Amino acid sequence: GAGVSQTPSNKVTEKGKYVELRCDPISGHTALYWYRQSLGQGPEFLIYFQGTGAADDSGLPNDRFFAVRPEGSVSTLKIQRTERGDSAVYLCASSLSPYSYNSPLHFGNGTRLTVT
Amino acid sequence: KNEVEQSPQNLTAQEGEFITINCSYSVGISALHWLQQHPGGGIVSLFMLSSGKKKHGRLIATINIQEKHSSLHITASHPRDSAVYICAPALNTDKLIFGTGTRLQVFP
Repeated sequence: GAGVSQTPSNKVTEKGKYVELRCDPISGHTALYWYRQSLGQGPEFLIYFQGTGAADDSGLPNDRFFAVRPEGSVSTLKIQRTERGDSAVYLCASSLSPYSYNSPLHFGNGTRLTVT
Repeated sequence: KNEVEQSPQNLTAQEGEFITINCSYSVGISALHWLQQHPGGGIVSLFMLSSGKKKHGRLIATINIQEKHSSLHITASHPRDSAVYICAPALNTDKLIFGTGTRLQVFP
């Protein structure tokens, strides 16, 4: 079956521009997570959705970052006024229910964002 | 001090060797994931465990909640096992925190 899909797979943008990164979770998965991974580092938590609501957005680095999941399925991560330091691989993951209840996590292949 | 510490950071092995990767954490957790990431590839969840031991093929994961420690073992390692292995404890708030990973290279 289809896994977690992220688009685009690569995005190059100029400093100061606005970007949107999309995540299509596995159908029926209520929990959705965004992470960011810089070169040589482990993934860094950004935000977690349970259904349509953001259950934990404590990892968003600043107010230039925003994420939505209006219908409880597809999620969009939005970055305003991009900076070179935003360059990273943005990973999305989903699970059937909060993963602490024995529900495996499925990752997308990520979107590689490069800000020039 | 990082909340999650993995060791070693880099590991090389000959095909067939037994591999152990260790993970220590300092926070209360509800479960712990072991993840695998191939170069340029996505992340795959290998195990999620909250107690004891799990086995899948040549992979074994153990966790000791009291000692806040988990290990990932690979028996009869193979070059295709070469990847970054990431320990990711799940906090009681459902947030995953990540170790920086262990880069494993298995040579034929």
